[in-house]
Amino acid sequence: DAKTTQPPSMDCAEGRAANLPCNHSTISGNEYVYWYRQIHSQGPQYIIHGLKNNETNEMASLIITEDRKSSTLILPHATLRDTAVYYCIVRVGTGTASKLTFGTGTRLQVTL
Amino acid sequence: KAGVTQTPRYLIKTRGQQVTLSCSPISGHRSVSWYQQTPGQGLQFLFEYFSETQRNKGNFPGRFSGRQFSNSRSEMNVSTLELGDSALYLCASSLGGELFFGEGSRLTVL
Repeated sequence: DAKTTQPPSMDCAEGRAANLPCNHSTISGNEYVYWYRQIHSQGPQYIIHGLKNNETNEMASLIITEDRKSSTLILPHATLRDTAVYYCIVRVGTGTASKLTFGTGTRLQVTL
Repeated sequence: KAGVTQTPRYLIKTRGQQVTLSCSPISGHRSVSWYQQTPGQGLQFLFEYFSETQRNKGNFPGRFSGRQFSNSRSEMNVSTLELGDSALYLCASSLGGELFFGEGSRLTVL
C-alpha cells in the first residue's frame, strides 16, 4: 500500500470547517483513499473513502485531486466532539484486504 | 448489529509471561486484522486472517502469533512478554472494504 503524509496537528474553531490534507503521491490506480479517526483511547472509526470522485456522507466530504496524489477531508461544521487523531490511508479496495499502514495521523483540536 | 468485541479490555502481566487476546468480529465478516498501538510507534499492523488462514503479516517477531477459528473469531498470543509489549491491541473486522475496529485490549507489562 502507498504511503501517506499528513501534518502532525491542526486547530479549528468550533462551527468552522476543518480541512485536513493528505499526500499520497505514490498511490496506484486501484488503491482507494480511506479516512479514519481515533478519539482518545478508543478504536479507530471509519469516516469515508473514495477512489477518484469526490465523496460525501453524513460525517464528512472527501476531495481527491485529479491526479489522485493528494486529498482533503472536510468536516463542514466542526464540533468539540470532532477532536481526534485523523488517519488517511490508501489501500486496495474491495475483495481483498492488504496490510495497512496508518502513519501518525493529524491531531485535530477543535476549540471554542 | 453488534460491533467488534475484544476481551479482555484491560490486563496486567509481568515480563516473561504470555497473553492471549480475543476478538469477535461483526457477524458475517470473515477478515480479522490485528494492530498494536503505542505512543511512540503509532498504529502498526500485526497480521490479518481470512477464513482461518493468515493472509498478511506485519514486521513483528515470532513471539506474536494469531489464529482464526471457523466462526471467524480470532485470538492473538504474545509469548515471553517484554516491557515494550505494553500497548493497546486493536482488532478490526472487514468484508473487504472499510475496517470496523473494536475498543481494544490494553496490555500493561510490568
